[in-house]
Amino acid sequence: QKEVEQDPGPLSVPEGAIVSLNCTYSNSAFQYFMWYRQYSRKGPELLMYTYSSGNKEDGRFTAQVDKSSKYISLFIRDSQPSDSATYLCAMITGGGNKLTFGTGTQLKVEL
Amino acid sequence: DSGVTQTPKHLITATGQRVTLRCSPRSGDLSVYWYQQSLDQGLQFLIHYYNGEERAKGNILERFSAQQFPDLHSELNLSSLELGDSALYFCASSVTGGGQETQYFGPGTRLLVL
Repeated sequence: QKEVEQDPGPLSVPEGAIVSLNCTYSNSAFQYFMWYRQYSRKGPELLMYTYSSGNKEDGRFTAQVDKSSKYISLFIRDSQPSDSATYLCAMITGGGNKLTFGTGTQLKVEL
Repeated sequence: DSGVTQTPKHLITATGQRVTLRCSPRSGDLSVYWYQQSLDQGLQFLIHYYNGEERAKGNILERFSAQQFPDLHSELNLSSLELGDSALYFCASSVTGGGQETQYFGPGTRLLVL
């Protein structure tokens, strides 16, 4: 079993929809949780960074962490065609230095 | 633009050959990480250097090696290349390397082994 599980999609939604992306993990030592966005043939770009359980909002993006369930989510409101990309969850232990990534969810937002 | 640069952008080579990938971290960052992204394995951590010293190794093959130079740029050397080494190789950097730090990724080097 992988340490981080993420539904690979692809996920196709109409413009303006609310998108929900999710990851589960098995290592309770993970303390920092990130969401990266990766456009085709580009490097991952950090979108959201969270530490504690709860919600963190940044514009149209909300990251949610539930450490008791070992579950993290990213919500995208009012999705735009420019949001079409692969979204990768990543996490790291407190004393660690290597990110462990999910496989990524490919999202397409259609006009 | 993350501030992390990688060269070359693309590399095409043959099996059995050796290549060197180069990474320059963001100004002020002391830590450099290398990751491999393939279709079947996703993004996998390879190795971490901090201020010239190796700090952690992940799923890095013995045919692969890396180093970080005094000017903090890093090179990833891949030798005896196999078809399965074809992948995107990313470099990331952070200030010191603590778990709470953000890692900023470069644009990657796309390696194709024929």
